[in-house]
Amino acid sequence: QVQVVQSGAEVKKPGASVKVSCKASGYTFTDYYIHWVRQAPGQGLEWMGRINPIGGAANYAQKFQARVTMTRDKSINTAYMELTSLISDDTAMYYCARGTVGAYGPDDYWGQGTLVTVSS
Amino acid sequence: QSALTQPPSASGSPGQSVTISCTGSSSDVGYYKYVSWYRQHPGKAPRLMIYEVNKRPSGVPDRFSGSNSGNTASLTVSGLQAEDEADYYCSSYAGNNKWVFGGGTRLTVL
Repeated sequence: QVQVVQSGAEVKKPGASVKVSCKASGYTFTDYYIHWVRQAPGQGLEWMGRINPIGGAANYAQKFQARVTMTRDKSINTAYMELTSLISDDTAMYYCARGTVGAYGPDDYWGQGTLVTVSS
Repeated sequence: QSALTQPPSASGSPGQSVTISCTGSSSDVGYYKYVSWYRQHPGKAPRLMIYEVNKRPSGVPDRFSGSNSGNTASLTVSGLQAEDEADYYCSSYAGNNKWVFGGGTRLTVL
């Protein structure tokens, strides 16, 4: 069955970077996008960007353009999201989610979330 | 791209129907027929309830339906049940390989 499993919680200091992984199984990794969505405590969902695992092309929300990099390793069916220059407002749950190729957005397979806490 | 606008809260009694709106612009909801709705229970990952405005993934009850008109999409939940109490988010394709979410609506089953 389809599974999307993320790496564990992280605690980072302001100014540092964090890299979250997202391992997919149960489907052909290159047949679907991987979207990244974050949710600050008590807040709503925020789309950060998506990567097409076939060629590695990524598109980012303008808000994160300067600080985020999404990559993938096809050999191990894993996508990564790296966010740099962390500030306290980056404290959030970060989700990866599979997405049908095209304009469909995230589908029904989401990771369990990775809590990133930014604190001095 | 700006977040889509949803009412912060909605409510209904068991068995009743409730509709949640999602207002965007002519650059997203009003142009692309790729609006999705997600349900999120506390502490859980979101679940896809509607895609392409009005299509239901397998396993989603037909009590959930979607529609759109102009720049506004809507989710209707009929026959409200206790398990429907959750946060609901809309999402739309916004062109140029970008997507946008709404601010979310907390649905309370009275």
